[in-house]
Amino acid sequence: KNQVEQSPQSLIILEGKNCTLQCNYTVSPFSNLRWYKQDTGRGPVSLTIMTFSENTKSNGRYTATLDADTKQSSLHITASQLSDSASYICVVLSNFGNEKLTFGTGTRLTIIP
Amino acid sequence: DAGVIQSPRHEVTEMGQEVTLRCKPISGHNSLFWYRQTMMRGLELLIYFNNNVPIDDSGMPEDRFSAKMPNASFSTLKIQPSEPRDSAVYFCASSLDAAGTDTQYFGPGTRLTVL
Repeated sequence: KNQVEQSPQSLIILEGKNCTLQCNYTVSPFSNLRWYKQDTGRGPVSLTIMTFSENTKSNGRYTATLDADTKQSSLHITASQLSDSASYICVVLSNFGNEKLTFGTGTRLTIIP
Repeated sequence: DAGVIQSPRHEVTEMGQEVTLRCKPISGHNSLFWYRQTMMRGLELLIYFNNNVPIDDSGMPEDRFSAKMPNASFSTLKIQPSEPRDSAVYFCASSLDAAGTDTQYFGPGTRLTVL
C-alpha cells in the first residue's frame, strides 16, 4: 500500500533557528515528490517538485533533498521567520497506469519570537 | 490573474440538504482537481479532470458526491444529501497539465459545516 509518513507531527522552534522536516514514502513506482506549505485558513502553496534524478532543490530559505534509494525526503528551513509558521505537506506521485497522488498528514511548524 | 476562485468560502447547512461548491480555475490551465481536507484524514484527492474530462474519480467517497466540469472555466462539486461527516474544507486546484509534473495552484477553499 502506498504511504507517505511525515515527522515530526508538530515542531516549535525559535525565530532565526534552522529546522528539518522529514518525509518517508513507500510509493511505487515513483514519479515525483512535492512539498507544500499551507498557512492556516488558506490553500497549500507549492514549494518544490523533485523528480527521481534530483537530489537537492532550493527555493529561497527552503531546501528539499531526495534520496530515492532509501525513499526519504527532507525539507530544511534556514534562518526561520515568523511567516514560516504553517503546515508542511509532503506529496508523492506514482504513475503506474493512472497517476496517483499520495499525501502525508503534514508537519505543523510554529516559529516563536 | 486572480488565481483559482472558489465559492462560497463558507457554507453551513443541515443534514440532508444539497450542497454545491463552485470553482473557477486559472485561465489556460487544462487540469482541475477537487480535494477534501480534515484534521483526521489530512488532504485527500477526490477527483481530477483533464480538458474537462474526469480522469480519476476513485477518491470520491460515495454516490452522494458528484462533480462536473461543463467547460474549461467552471466546475462544481455537489453533495446530495449532505451528512455531518462531510464537514471539511474543500479545495479546488488547477494546473497547466495533468497530475504529473506541473505545479498545482490551490484556491482558498470552501469550509463546509453540516449540522
